[in-house]
Amino acid sequence: DAKTTQPPSMDCAEGRAANLPCNHSTISGNEYVYWYRQIHSQGPQYIIHGLKNNETNEMASLIITEDRKSSTLILPHATLRDTAVYYCIVRVRTDKLIFGTGTRLQVFP
Amino acid sequence: EAGVVQSPRYKIIEKKQPVAFWCNPISGHNTLYWYRQNLGQGPELLIRYENEEAVDDSQLPKDRFSAERLKGVDSTLKIQPAELGDSAVYLCASSTGLAGRNEQFFGPGTRLTVL
Repeated sequence: DAKTTQPPSMDCAEGRAANLPCNHSTISGNEYVYWYRQIHSQGPQYIIHGLKNNETNEMASLIITEDRKSSTLILPHATLRDTAVYYCIVRVRTDKLIFGTGTRLQVFP
Repeated sequence: EAGVVQSPRYKIIEKKQPVAFWCNPISGHNTLYWYRQNLGQGPELLIRYENEEAVDDSQLPKDRFSAERLKGVDSTLKIQPAELGDSAVYLCASSTGLAGRNEQFFGPGTRLTVL
C-alpha cells in the first residue's frame, strides 16, 4: 500500500502557482519523498526528490515540513502542459517505487 | 538523448492468445523495470532487472507471465495465455546505479486490450 495521502484532484489557473500537498505521517528517517507526474498517454516522469531540506530544480520546488510528515510540490507558474497526474512517493532510495492514485491537476486557461 | 523505447504502442488480442512486449532502455542504464498500470491506478512493479539478473520478480504472476533480458540490454515481457484481466498499460523504465537508487526514466507504454 502507498504510504502517502494526496487529494484526488486540483485545479489551477494558468500562470499561477500550483501547490500540491502530500501527507506521509508514517515516514521513516531514511525515506525520501519523491514526486513523479504522468501526462496523459505517457509514462511517468521524475520531477524532484528530497530527504529533509527543501529542494528546487528547473521543474519545481519541494517543501518538506520540519517533522517530515507532509510536503508540498510547487509548480511556480503552471502552464497547460502541466496538466497531469502527480504522484507523491516515499521510499528508501534502494527500495521500489510504490505509486498511489496521485492528484489529478487540471490547469485551465 | 533517446529515451526508453517500447513496442508495440497498442495491442489488441483475444483471450487465451499469447502476447509479447519489447523494451529498449536508455543506453548505459543497467537497471530495467516492467510495470503494469490498470485504468485509474498508479503503476505497479512486475519485475526489476539489474543487468541480466531478475532481482525482484515477486509481483510477477509466474503462471502466465515471463520476462527476459538477454545480454543485459533489451527486455521482453510475455503473457501466455492472456486473460481479460490483463488489459492494462505495460510500462518499461530504466535507471542507472545499483538497486534503483537513481531516478527512473519511463517509456510511453504498451496499451494491451484483451477481448
